[in-house]
Amino acid sequence: DQQVKQNSPSLSVQEGRISILNCDYTNSMFDYFLWYKKYPAEGPTFLISISSIKDKNEDGRFTVFLNKSAKHLSLHIVPSQPGDSAVYFCAASTNTNAGKSTFGDGTTLTVKP
Amino acid sequence: NAGVTQTPKFQVLKTGQSMTLQCAQDMNHEYMSWYRQDPGMGLRLIHYSVGAGITDQGEVPNGYNVSRSTTEDFPLRLLSAAPSQTSVYFCASRRDTYNEQFFGPGTRLTVL
Repeated sequence: DQQVKQNSPSLSVQEGRISILNCDYTNSMFDYFLWYKKYPAEGPTFLISISSIKDKNEDGRFTVFLNKSAKHLSLHIVPSQPGDSAVYFCAASTNTNAGKSTFGDGTTLTVKP
Repeated sequence: NAGVTQTPKFQVLKTGQSMTLQCAQDMNHEYMSWYRQDPGMGLRLIHYSVGAGITDQGEVPNGYNVSRSTTEDFPLRLLSAAPSQTSVYFCASRRDTYNEQFFGPGTRLTVL
């Protein structure tokens, strides 16, 4: 049973437009959510996070939205840039499990110039 | 700060061989984890540690051992390598429960 799902393996957008990456989860105990970005042959790097007490967190071009009732979160990138082309992983954790993170399978974003 | 370092970057093993993947962090983080990433999949937790002397199993612990004798180091041991362990291995650390993880650059392991 996959507790964190990223149903779109890939997404292609034009430079300057909005990129929306989606993530669904099944475990209602998850209370902290993170997005990581990964370039080829590198380790993932942290992008943005959100606590379950919030429904939105913004950091520059990146905004994460959390809909607890739907068990859904999304990452918005505006405007998208070619350097944003990478694999994006959604992760969820719960304080009741030593904060262990469960990762989705990732979405490959391609931003075309 | 070097962050999280992993050695080696690449390794080829024959079935049945053993080896240790090294991981070190210089950020004084209590939490450390080992993940594997297979093609088209996310990161799956192998083992983790919440402090020196404390380790526990993750989702896919079979065939791997860990120890945490110091805060800085968290080596992962493959006891008897199998082709199913061909993967990219990432080590990560974080300060506490509600913080982001810092990942190493990964070790690409091939088992023939």
